[in-house]
Amino acid sequence: DAGVTQSPTHLIKTRGQHVTLRCSPISGHKSVSWYQQVLGQGPQFIFQYYEKEERGRGNFPDRFSARQFPNYSSELNVNALLLGDSALYLCASSFQGRETQYFGPGTRLLVL
Amino acid sequence: GENVEQHPSTLSVQEGDSAVIKCTYSDSASNYFPWYKQELGKRPQLIIDIRSNVGEKKDQRIAVTLNKTAKHFSLHITETQPEDSAVYFCAASRPGGSYIPTFGRGTSLIVHP
Repeated sequence: DAGVTQSPTHLIKTRGQHVTLRCSPISGHKSVSWYQQVLGQGPQFIFQYYEKEERGRGNFPDRFSARQFPNYSSELNVNALLLGDSALYLCASSFQGRETQYFGPGTRLLVL
Repeated sequence: GENVEQHPSTLSVQEGDSAVIKCTYSDSASNYFPWYKQELGKRPQLIIDIRSNVGEKKDQRIAVTLNKTAKHFSLHITETQPEDSAVYFCAASRPGGSYIPTFGRGTSLIVHP
């Protein structure tokens, strides 16, 4: 049984560019959450989606957006990239957005 | 919002010793407290969790205790092994429409053989 998958694994962009990160949840899970993890810190919550509806939004600028598709996969979009956006972006899935979350391997984004 | 403080930031122990990591939280409504282990370059993995209706939970060499009054919870690892070396994160979340955890900054545990 596959766990949470994310693509791409690594990405290098330059300032001002746009990036799209993708996540597929565990089969049967209907909720996806996105987190940003900078080196030396814990994951910071960005978005949570359940049944294609946004359920929660963290303290991130409007350059960050996300959506969830009918198959429960999700995309995280970041516009006008800044150097400070360099981080590991983690996706986590859960059943109905409750409690236990299972993380994907992450996408490591480097902005030059 | 919720604020989670985690200590220590680094913990070095000898193989076979016990390790204790402590977290405090600010929101008294928080009722779910997971602990994650993250090895270098890998995803965070849930190792144990506790809900506010219990004070302690054990799973083999790992245990978590919760003091709701003081708003702190701790991870205890006994008989540490080199493969326990990793960064450990605590988190706290409150009930409601979604369980969105707030994470601590992490503790880097180093177990020396």
